[in-house]
Amino acid sequence: EAQVTQNPRYLITVTGKKLTVTCSQNMNHEYMSWYRQDPGLGLRQIYYSMNVEVTDKGDVPEGYKVSRKEKRNFPLILESPSPNQTSLYFCASSFTGGGYQETQYFGPGTRLLVL
Amino acid sequence: AQKVTQAQTEISVVEKEDVTLDCVYETRDTTYYLFWYKQPPSGELVFLIRRNSFDEQNEISGRYSWNFQKSTSSFNFTITASQVVDSAVYFCALSEPSNAGNMLTFGGGTRLMVKP
Repeated sequence: EAQVTQNPRYLITVTGKKLTVTCSQNMNHEYMSWYRQDPGLGLRQIYYSMNVEVTDKGDVPEGYKVSRKEKRNFPLILESPSPNQTSLYFCASSFTGGGYQETQYFGPGTRLLVL
Repeated sequence: AQKVTQAQTEISVVEKEDVTLDCVYETRDTTYYLFWYKQPPSGELVFLIRRNSFDEQNEISGRYSWNFQKSTSSFNFTITASQVVDSAVYFCALSEPSNAGNMLTFGGGTRLMVKP
């Protein structure tokens, strides 16, 4: 089944404790991205990757890192989480489309609570 | 700058009623793409439809239909004979290929509650 998976789905952590949220897709998509969803602020892009070893900042990259060493994986790293990073996180992937906007398919979401 | 407005924050209907969710967008590009996603109570984002700016044909998929009107910059979504399972938050989104990062700009969402 074609899908985007995220782990963990739920995470409670404390301020400053490094964490990684994994994202994996099995659709051979070149493009992957991370969004966060917050009440009143909607969905905002954190980072994106157009292909392996190619990553760039989205609208709200502060406090996050990403890497793209393999095509299927795009982990989101919070090196020193803070309470304002409490949010619902989504990973998405798509083909790059060569100038066209392909449909982005989203993972199930990861609910993060930073105490 | 691109912007998507979903003026209806919450809509409540009774099962079997028809309901239309409004979406108005702003863009300076001539080429752009519009999407609708559904977020059920379980939280995931489910893709419903993608439409490019050159295709103004309306689309119907079962009980769902979409009306794209460039003249009014709107891309409205209608559910016919609504069901309780349609209860969810629905997001309209816009993307411009000229933007770095293929970023989707989402509207604020419309929470639809379908009561039995």
